[in-house]
Amino acid sequence: SQTIHQWPATLVQPVGSPLSLECTVEGTSNPNLYWYRQAAGRGLQLLFYSVGIGQISSEVPQNLSASRPQDRQFILSSKKLLLSDSGFYLCAWIGVNTEAFFGQGTRLTVV
Amino acid sequence: DAKTTQPPSMDCAEGRAANLPCNHSTISGNEYVYWYRQIHSQGPQYIIHGLKNNETNEMASLIITEDRKSSTLILPHATLRDTAVYYCIVRRGNTGFQKLVFGTGTRLLVSP
Repeated sequence: SQTIHQWPATLVQPVGSPLSLECTVEGTSNPNLYWYRQAAGRGLQLLFYSVGIGQISSEVPQNLSASRPQDRQFILSSKKLLLSDSGFYLCAWIGVNTEAFFGQGTRLTVV
Repeated sequence: DAKTTQPPSMDCAEGRAANLPCNHSTISGNEYVYWYRQIHSQGPQYIIHGLKNNETNEMASLIITEDRKSSTLILPHATLRDTAVYYCIVRRGNTGFQKLVFGTGTRLLVSP
């Protein structure tokens, strides 16, 4: 069965520090992978998606970047965090004509 | 790209049916309607999806109008654990790539 792992679950980072959130999937090959962010009390905002290794598309300009070094690995990064980067980050896998599978999310607080 | 509109919030009494509406008036012929829900501080959970016909599973029923411009998610016997934000989404993109864009959803509060 398909599963998606995301870590860490919570993270508190100071402003200006780097960020690396990792997401891995199991039970599928060549998945389409996605990073979403949810600010407090807001909906889900699509940040990045990837259709394959090394292929990254950005939905909105921001202080973040994404990479896909392996088929089942998707990484969200920042060189210097801003207060506005705080939020709930979700990784998702969406197959063709199937439902989406979401990780349990990372709650990032930038202080 | 099709967009969806949902009421921001709804209330439902425990044990009663919860009917959550969604408008997707610009939906294309090959686009599906998906429903997800998100319980606080968790990832969204898939509920049901459909193209043209009404669908039912162990969680809910999905009623899609004949013109496909709107749909209704029905939770037949709501429980307190159904309190969540419910998202109606139209799937976009070609068969090789699908992108889910979430709106603001409907916050359903189930009360005793």
